[in-house]
Amino acid sequence: NAGVTQTPKFRILKIGQSMTLQCTQDMNHNYMYWYRQDPGMGLKLIYYSVGAGITDKGEVPNGYNVSRSTTEDFPLRLELAAPSQTSVYFCASSYSRARDYNEQFFGPGTRLTVL
Amino acid sequence: ILNVEQSPQSLHVQEGDSTNFTCSFPSSNFYALHWYRWETAKSPEALFVMTLNGDEKKKGRISATLNTKEGYSYLYIKGSQPEDSATYLCASSPNSGNTPLVFGKGTRLSVIA
Repeated sequence: NAGVTQTPKFRILKIGQSMTLQCTQDMNHNYMYWYRQDPGMGLKLIYYSVGAGITDKGEVPNGYNVSRSTTEDFPLRLELAAPSQTSVYFCASSYSRARDYNEQFFGPGTRLTVL
Repeated sequence: ILNVEQSPQSLHVQEGDSTNFTCSFPSSNFYALHWYRWETAKSPEALFVMTLNGDEKKKGRISATLNTKEGYSYLYIKGSQPEDSATYLCASSPNSGNTPLVFGKGTRLSVIA
């Protein structure tokens, strides 16, 4: 299993540009998540999904959109990039089975800079 | 909103020292407590999941304890090595695990050779 994969690894955007961060998992997990990591602030939840066709806002959803058309994929869309969105973005997935206690598996991250 | 607090925020220890740090979480609606190890430029990796009051888990020189009644967990590292340098995250899983984990901000450990 590849686990959770994210592309691209790095990206520089100009203010106002748009882009999609890709996330795919091959573990048949039903839950998927997007986090951003800001220095000294730990992980902040942007959006999450409990299954195909279902998404929910996390703590910091403004400026982002997501979709979940398949179990495997959970892309994150930035429509109008702003410098405040400069961050490292992590995708994660988990099972909702009780015995897994929602343990999350993380992708390698995407480092995004908006100039 | 559930608050998970970790202390200290950062820690510097000499190689060979033992160390510990704390995670506190609301004890109501508790379901599980997770510890993750997060090396710089990598992604977080799960260390332990604990669910029962009094639980103690161990992996090599790293161990963790759980007190669900008072809402805290300790992570211990015995004989710290430079490769232990990382950020250690804890996360609470409330409400039967059907909602996202709530992460603390982490404790950043630096082990000096």
